[in-house]
Amino acid sequence: NAGVTQTPKFQVLKTGQSMTLQCAQDMNHNSMYWYRQDPGMGLRLIYYSASEGTTDKGEVPNGYNVSRLNKREFSLRLESAAPSQTSVYFCASSLTGTGGDTGELFFGEGSRLTVL
Amino acid sequence: AQSVTQLGSHVSVSEGALVLLRCNYSSSVPPYLFWYVQYPNQGLQLLLKYTSAATLVKGINGFEAEFKKSETSFHLTKPSAHMSDAAEYFCAVSSRPGGTSYGKLTFGQGTILTVHP
Repeated sequence: NAGVTQTPKFQVLKTGQSMTLQCAQDMNHNSMYWYRQDPGMGLRLIYYSASEGTTDKGEVPNGYNVSRLNKREFSLRLESAAPSQTSVYFCASSLTGTGGDTGELFFGEGSRLTVL
Repeated sequence: AQSVTQLGSHVSVSEGALVLLRCNYSSSVPPYLFWYVQYPNQGLQLLLKYTSAATLVKGINGFEAEFKKSETSFHLTKPSAHMSDAAEYFCAVSSRPGGTSYGKLTFGQGTILTVHP
């Protein structure tokens, strides 16, 4: 079972460059999320998509855009990368909205981004 | 708004000793609570979750946590540490179905557990 798959796993960008992080899940989950992880700050929610066709801002959305391409895929785009966006990015999915679910998230392995 | 505070960014124990990782939450509505573990260069894996009336929750790898409403705590324990327990641990909170933050987990800052031989 692949679960949640993120690409690329590593990326180095120069300030001002753009890039898209891709995420796909094969668990038929309704909701998908993008978090960033920084030392000593835990994980902070960037954007989420409660269901196909909807997206909403999380705690730290500035400098990012997202697209829920279909039920499986949720991408995160950096239009003009800044050094402050150097981080590890995690995509996650969950079954929220369906009977019996408990809201737990299933995570990908992360994408490590460095902006010079 | 919900929040989570993990007391102690680093905890060090000897192999075979008790593991205690502290988590306190703030929530205006009955919460769901989670503990996740992250091994180096990996994603987060669910250890256990509190979502029902049973206040003592057992998880994988011998870990358990007790929900104490009066103390707004959800501390993680393991009676005997193993070298393989060395990792970073995250406590997280969300609201129950119907709540405004349902499905959106808010994480604590993490606690790195070191296990000495």
